[in-house]
Amino acid sequence: DAKTTQPNSMESNEEEPVHLPCNHSTISGTDYIHWYRQLPSQGPEYVIHGLTSNVNNRMASLAIAEDRKSSTLILHRATLRDAAVYYCIPDSNYQLIWGAGTKLIIKP
Amino acid sequence: NAGVTQTPKFQVLKTGQSMTLQCAQDMNHEYMSWYRQDPGMGLRLIHYSVGAGITDQGEVPNGYNVSRSTTEDFPLRLLSAAPSQTSVYFCASSRYGQRYGYTFGSGTRLTVV
Repeated sequence: DAKTTQPNSMESNEEEPVHLPCNHSTISGTDYIHWYRQLPSQGPEYVIHGLTSNVNNRMASLAIAEDRKSSTLILHRATLRDAAVYYCIPDSNYQLIWGAGTKLIIKP
Repeated sequence: NAGVTQTPKFQVLKTGQSMTLQCAQDMNHEYMSWYRQDPGMGLRLIHYSVGAGITDQGEVPNGYNVSRSTTEDFPLRLLSAAPSQTSVYFCASSRYGQRYGYTFGSGTRLTVV
């Protein structure tokens, strides 16, 4: 199964962009990369996913490296409501493999 | 459209008791799954289903049973509760599986004493 490496925590200032990195060097060629986030005391929330090319939606952008060994989730303008744990997850055999994620701290 | 509904939200069990955690979705999703989350950790897959009548084991299935008699419901049964099963349980569903994103319920916080 593919494994991911994410920083334990990151800090950012409110209204500034945030770049959350993820290393997934063992990912297979057909595994999608998913990003979810979990606000305190809530269930996970889908953010974005992609396979090879960069992806954008209303919540975030996902930049996937050309060799697919890493990806970066971009929050274009962080707000206090974006403070959460962000998980980078490969889907392996149609099962999401969750790590500990990155705790994003937003400073006002 | 309620999304994914989990009941109860909180439960305390004594060791050896059995119970069923309920999960229902009203989005006509084929894929459903159960996860547990221990403090400070990511989610671990218990069981999943790709459609009515079809279930399979995930990473940590021991001590849990599931069935999927309808598209809407996917209950999780704890056969004989143990303190090691103290955790937060999340149910999730997706129309096309992981590649299109899962919708999660708000969780059931279970304590086994």
